[in-house]
Amino acid sequence: QLQLQESGPGLVKPSETLSLTCTVSGGSISSSHYYWGWIRQPPGKGLEWIGSIYYSGSTYYNPSLKSRVTIFVDTSMNQFSLRLSSVTAADTAVYYCARPRSSSRAADAFDIWGQGTMVTVSS
Amino acid sequence: DIQMTQSPSTLSASVGDRVTITCRASQSISTWLAWYQQKPGKAPKLLIYKASSLESGVPSRFSGSGSGTEFTLTISSLQPDDFATYYCQQYNSYPGTFGQGTKLEIK
Repeated sequence: QLQLQESGPGLVKPSETLSLTCTVSGGSISSSHYYWGWIRQPPGKGLEWIGSIYYSGSTYYNPSLKSRVTIFVDTSMNQFSLRLSSVTAADTAVYYCARPRSSSRAADAFDIWGQGTMVTVSS
Repeated sequence: DIQMTQSPSTLSASVGDRVTITCRASQSISTWLAWYQQKPGKAPKLLIYKASSLESGVPSRFSGSGSGTEFTLTISSLQPDDFATYYCQQYNSYPGTFGQGTKLEIK
């Protein structure tokens, strides 16, 4: 069955770039035409959709983060990645990667999630 | 962005109770609404999609309704495993926005 796993540094310094990777197992990104997503959750707070990427590389970003976010896909590694630049303490959160329920819509509910990875922004 | 407002923020209930959580959208989203359950330290779990469709494997005591701007999640008879935080999410358009969450506590 399909599984997603986030990986990357758990601590990032202010003003630096946060980089995370989501590895997909049990299925192929390139043959399953989904908009794979990144969502985050600050400690004790709600969920925020960061952005999504299609297997071909087409992206949608949350306008509130758009100037700092890049999401890209590496189909050869069956991974998609998130970069968030110029981070501050407000970017401290659990970061999740997720797969939408349907491949027929650019925006959809997410039915498969990674376990999440905590990223702390601190010097 | 479409704003999603859930009520109440906290709900105290007992095992066996019927509970309802409401989610309102700042503009019409047709039925492009999902409900998730989240337990501490865990990823959200999809319960309901397209406002009223039950995700595979989710108990039938969970149900969703609504369209346009007003939606509800109902749990017909609370079980001990249901005490968690619940989020709605609209996916009518990007960015897909979430409600602020409803924490369901044991009375």
